[in-house]
Amino acid sequence: GNSVTQMEGPVTLSEEAFLTINCTYTATGYPSLFWYVQYPGEGLQLLLKATKADDKGSNKGFEATYRKETTSFHLEKGSVQVSDSAVYFCALFSGAGSYQLTFGKGTKLSVIP
Amino acid sequence: EPEVTQTPSHQVTQMGQEVILRCVPISNHLYFYWYRQILGQKVEFLVSFYNNEISEKSEIFDDQFSVERPDGSNFTLKIRSTKLEDSAMYFCASMWQLNTEAFFGQGTRLTVV
Repeated sequence: GNSVTQMEGPVTLSEEAFLTINCTYTATGYPSLFWYVQYPGEGLQLLLKATKADDKGSNKGFEATYRKETTSFHLEKGSVQVSDSAVYFCALFSGAGSYQLTFGKGTKLSVIP
Repeated sequence: EPEVTQTPSHQVTQMGQEVILRCVPISNHLYFYWYRQILGQKVEFLVSFYNNEISEKSEIFDDQFSVERPDGSNFTLKIRSTKLEDSAMYFCASMWQLNTEAFFGQGTRLTVV
């Protein structure tokens, strides 16, 4: 079946530090990959997506590249801000007869001034 | 900006009681979902709903669970006889078409005592 594995949190960084949150997946077919973000007290919001191998999704300074050879979709940001403090979820949509998004456990990021 | 709304934000119920969680998806969306997240664990798929019927459900979604879209705007999740292990954050989501952005509500925190 489909699954997503994210690095364990929580992650605490100082403002302007470099961020990487690792995500790997197993899936049938050719999945689309997503990063969702959940700010405190809010629902999940799409941060970025990539629908095929070697695609790079980007938004708000965050980037992730769909790597089919390593089945990975790591999230990166060059310089984090306090406002980036949130929980980040990696997810996949495999199609192939499935209607659902499959999520990782989420990684809590705290950015301190 | 259109959004998915969920009510209530927090519900406390006694074990064995029935609960109904309510959601208003985005009006032109076609696919509707319930997910849940037990504290500290991954976001788990419960059920998807399309064309007025369940299109996919997980093994969590047993006979105690049901969904309904009674009036073309609301989308409800009913748990007939709640158990302690049903305590979780329940998220509703909607999608215009498959493999596009899923929009999530802010969640209902269900506490079974």
